[in-house]
Amino acid sequence: NAGVTQTPKFQVLKTGQSMTLQCAQDMNHEYMSWYRQDPGMGLRLIHYSVGAGITDQGEVPNGYNVSRSTTEDFPLRLLSAAPSQTSVYFCASSYSSRYHEQYFGPGTRLTVT
Amino acid sequence: AQSVTQPDIHITVSEGASLELRCNYSYGATPYLFWYVQSPGQGLQLLLKYFSGDTLVQGIKGFEAEFKRSQSSFNLRKPSVHWSDAAEYFCAVGNTGTASKLTFGTGTRLQVTL
Repeated sequence: NAGVTQTPKFQVLKTGQSMTLQCAQDMNHEYMSWYRQDPGMGLRLIHYSVGAGITDQGEVPNGYNVSRSTTEDFPLRLLSAAPSQTSVYFCASSYSSRYHEQYFGPGTRLTVT
Repeated sequence: AQSVTQPDIHITVSEGASLELRCNYSYGATPYLFWYVQSPGQGLQLLLKYFSGDTLVQGIKGFEAEFKRSQSSFNLRKPSVHWSDAAEYFCAVGNTGTASKLTFGTGTRLQVTL
């Protein structure tokens, strides 16, 4: 098993550009989520999904879109990047939304200039 | 709303010394509590979790944590720290309905001196 994979590892965008951060897991996990990590703020939940076709907002959803068309993939879209979205983004998955450990991907470091 | 406080931003201990990292949570019902570790440039790895039952939980790498409801705390401990334990440690709480929907503390960076 590859676990949770994220691409790209690093990305630099200009303000206003759009991009998609990819996340995939090969563990047949129901639950997937996106967090952003900023210095001194820990990790904050952006969006999450409890299964294919079902997504919901987390703590900081503004500026981000998600969809979950398959169990394996959970991409995060930035429609019009802003400098405030400079961060490290982590994708995570777990077997279900209850009682189960979350597995984190290695992260994507995004810089918006 | 649930919240987590890690009052120590940075802690330095000598190798072989004991370690305690503090975590206080705010949640109305019985929480699901987690400790994660993050090495530089890496993702997060679960050290241990508390869902119910015995309030002293054992984790990987020799770590343990104790859930104290009366103090709303879930402190992480290790009797003897190794240089490889230097990392950032995050406490997190999940709610009863969706344990995986985590709220993280701001983290404690551990430095280990030789």
